Amino acid sequence: AQTVTQSQPEMSVQEAETVTLSCTYDTSESNYYLFWYKQPPSSGQMILVIRQEAYKQQNATENRFSVNFQKAAKSFSLKISDSQLGDTAMYFCAFMKHRTGRRALTFGSGTRLQVQP
Amino acid sequence: ETGVTQSPTHLIKTRGQQVTLRCSSQSGHNTVSWYQQALGQGPQFIFQYYREEENGRGNFPPRFSGLQFPNYSSELNVNALELDDSALYLCASSFLQGTQYFGPGTRLLVL
Repeated sequence: AQTVTQSQPEMSVQEAETVTLSCTYDTSESNYYLFWYKQPPSSGQMILVIRQEAYKQQNATENRFSVNFQKAAKSFSLKISDSQLGDTAMYFCAFMKHRTGRRALTFGSGTRLQVQP
Repeated sequence: ETGVTQSPTHLIKTRGQQVTLRCSSQSGHNTVSWYQQALGQGPQFIFQYYREEENGRGNFPPRFSGLQFPNYSSELNVNALELDDSALYLCASSFLQGTQYFGPGTRLLVL
């Protein structure tokens, strides 16, 4: 079974600054996907931030969001550059196997990010 | 392109009752997954539907059941509600078993 650990329950950053959220995972799979989702305050919707395929060595980037994927260390951190007030949210790291059949997401417990003006 | 929608947004039930939650998948998607998110926790996988059949199930009892319809929409049914079933229920759709995109969720309160 897979496990995902987010060791930072809460973080705070000043507007326009950079922040890094940590995520580690445990799996015996060799091929898989990793995701970061955000859940804004007072909203249930999980919004996809960024996705990484384990077989790709290049770190994924989406505008101000980038990841540092260390496969051997089973680490998948999210860097948010030029933080904006709208980035305030719960951030969840998630794992999904890359194989046919059931592809369920396994989530971490989340990190609450507060962007301060 | 229409995103994932869920209904109702909020629901209050009493212990022992039954509830049905609904989900319409995003245009072009054929797979629906359901998750339960208790307060302060990450979502937990309930089950997934593909081609109108259950395609995997998490650690949830049989009183949690579902359906997928020919238009790929889905229902989650919970019988004999318990207080611990109070949670946010999230539906996600995907094409085959690719990246999952979530709806806004249904908040269920069991009294």
